[in-house]
Amino acid sequence: DGGITQSPKYLFRKEGQNVTLSCEQNLNHDAMYWYRQDPGQGLRLIYYSQIVNDFQKGDIAEGYSVSREKKESFPLTVTSAQKNPTAFYLCASSPFSGTGRQYEQYFGPGTRLTVT
Amino acid sequence: KQEVTQIPAALSVPEGENLVLNCSFTDSAIYNLQWFRQDPGKGLTSLLLIQSSQREQTSGRLNASLDKSSGRSTLYIAASQPGDSATYLCAPGGGADGLTFGKGTHLIIQP
Repeated sequence: DGGITQSPKYLFRKEGQNVTLSCEQNLNHDAMYWYRQDPGQGLRLIYYSQIVNDFQKGDIAEGYSVSREKKESFPLTVTSAQKNPTAFYLCASSPFSGTGRQYEQYFGPGTRLTVT
Repeated sequence: KQEVTQIPAALSVPEGENLVLNCSFTDSAIYNLQWFRQDPGKGLTSLLLIQSSQREQTSGRLNASLDKSSGRSTLYIAASQPGDSATYLCAPGGGADGLTFGKGTHLIIQP
């Protein structure tokens, strides 16, 4: 089955530790995205990547880092610099034609990160 | 910067009713608009995608309309069922740099 996988589903970390969230897709999509969801708020864009070895900051990139070494993978690292890391993190992907058009986005099941 | 508002924030209706969820956005320069469904603790499921050149899109009991010039979209759910209970999210897309989301409408269908 084609789709997006995120692991783990639940993640617990102590304050001050970096943590990496996994996102893998087998849809052959060029573009991948990371969003953060907090209770009572809409999803907010953290980082996105339109092609391998290239990525851009979204609206709330501070305290996060990403890499895009393979088309299928877009891991997100939550660093100790992120002041409020506890949240639900969602990864998404979409086809990308290179013309700037936005195509349908598909989402993974999410990772719930709790930092204490 | 794009801002998205969804009304109502919450809605509870008896099974069988037809209902309308509203979405408004401030920047009409969009390529398309997606409606999603989110069940508690889960990821998002895409329901409908309307391209900016389209006026509406239908899938089963769902119909979404788009009035790009006025910055509005509506999601119509016909003959609602308890299984439709979820949070519905609207997200206009302005380019390849991601979607902007509203806070959603939390829908409860009473059996």
